[in-house]
Amino acid sequence: GNSVTQMEGPVTLSEEAFLTINCTYTATGYPSLFWYVQYPGEGLQLLLKATKADDKGSNKGFEATYRKETTSFHLEKGSVQVSDSAVYFCAPGGGNQFYFGTGTSLTVIP
Amino acid sequence: DAGVIQSPRHEVTEMGQEVTLRCKPISGHDYLFWYRQTMMRGLELLIYFNNNVPIDDSGMPEDRFSAKMPNASFSTLKIQPSEPRDSAVYFCASSSWGTGEPYEQYFGPGTRLTVT
Repeated sequence: GNSVTQMEGPVTLSEEAFLTINCTYTATGYPSLFWYVQYPGEGLQLLLKATKADDKGSNKGFEATYRKETTSFHLEKGSVQVSDSAVYFCAPGGGNQFYFGTGTSLTVIP
Repeated sequence: DAGVIQSPRHEVTEMGQEVTLRCKPISGHDYLFWYRQTMMRGLELLIYFNNNVPIDDSGMPEDRFSAKMPNASFSTLKIQPSEPRDSAVYFCASSSWGTGEPYEQYFGPGTRLTVT
């Protein structure tokens, strides 16, 4: 079945720092890969996705590339802002399984 | 579209009472999910429906929990009797196979349940 391992948090960065949150997965076949973000007091919302190998998903300055050879989908942002403070979830999707990583909490300080 | 709608947003109840959480999915979506989120256990899938039919309820913690989806626009999650360990945020989410991506889920704002 699908499973995912996310970098443990919490992560604290200064504004304009570079962000990487690691995510590796195991899955049957070739799942779609997603990053969701949860702002305080809200539900999860889709941040970006990639549906096949070597695809790069991007949104709001965040990027992640579907790496089949390393079964990874690491989230990156070149310059974080205070408004990026949230919890980030990696999720493989496929095989009628719906599973989220444990979440990585990010706090960005001015 | 108004997005996924959940009610109530907050619920405080006493141990032993029945609790009913409600969800209206996005119109046209054919998958509906119920999740529970706690600090200790993270985000857990409780049950999901496809075309109003329960497909996988293996995440439902015990018989005190039940979920129904009487039509495409409404679902309930019921806890009877409630216990303090049920305190959590419960999320409803929906998705659509018709877009070719049922794994892209849209979440509601959640119901924060506190059982005292």
